[in-house]
Amino acid sequence: GQQVQQSPASLVLQEGENAELQCNFSTSLNSMQWFYQRPGGSLVSLFYNPSGTKHSGRLTSTTVIKERRSSLHISSSQTTDSGTYLCALAGANTGKLTFGHGTILRVHP
Amino acid sequence: EAAVTQSPRNKVAVTGGKVTLSCNQTNNHNNMYWYRQDTGHGLRLIHYSYGAGSTEKGDIPDGYKASRPSQENFSLILELATPSQTSVYFCASGDAWGDQDTQYFGPGTRLLVL
Repeated sequence: GQQVQQSPASLVLQEGENAELQCNFSTSLNSMQWFYQRPGGSLVSLFYNPSGTKHSGRLTSTTVIKERRSSLHISSSQTTDSGTYLCALAGANTGKLTFGHGTILRVHP
Repeated sequence: EAAVTQSPRNKVAVTGGKVTLSCNQTNNHNNMYWYRQDTGHGLRLIHYSYGAGSTEKGDIPDGYKASRPSQENFSLILELATPSQTSVYFCASGDAWGDQDTQYFGPGTRLLVL
């Protein structure tokens, strides 16, 4: 089965609302990364977060290893946050990433 | 600023033809990766490399070869292209160890095999 599962598959917000994106994994974790992808664009790393909580502006990532989950919280969403958010699990000592299928976020003005 | 470039950015190929996708990184990273992205499958790892002269099979290597002639360059080769290889291909570089390990992605190459 799929090693990395993301939810929800898609999400529609009004500007200013908060979003909580989830990533669950079924294998041992070396690191968890969150990426952002603009429609038709490349991937930009948001967080490298093997455990605990990290903040970057309006974004917060929390990884709980024992529960095999990671979340990405977006506060006060903006239309420019629209795009696809991908989480990726890196295996121990390989650097190889296994991606989830992503959450497509649309923020309406 | 980390930089990964890919060429070509768009490619139309015929079935049975040979296609070479090129990737260059100026990050001085040891590791480089080739992924493809398809609707319903997300990003999947095709081949990767730990350094010049090395190539390793990823999760979906069939129908692809890779070449790492130098630290900076990593190519993906489709010897006999098939329509099922129509996809968007991303190259990435990174180092697997370190507290701030991450991968940096190129802009992608859109390949259409007719």
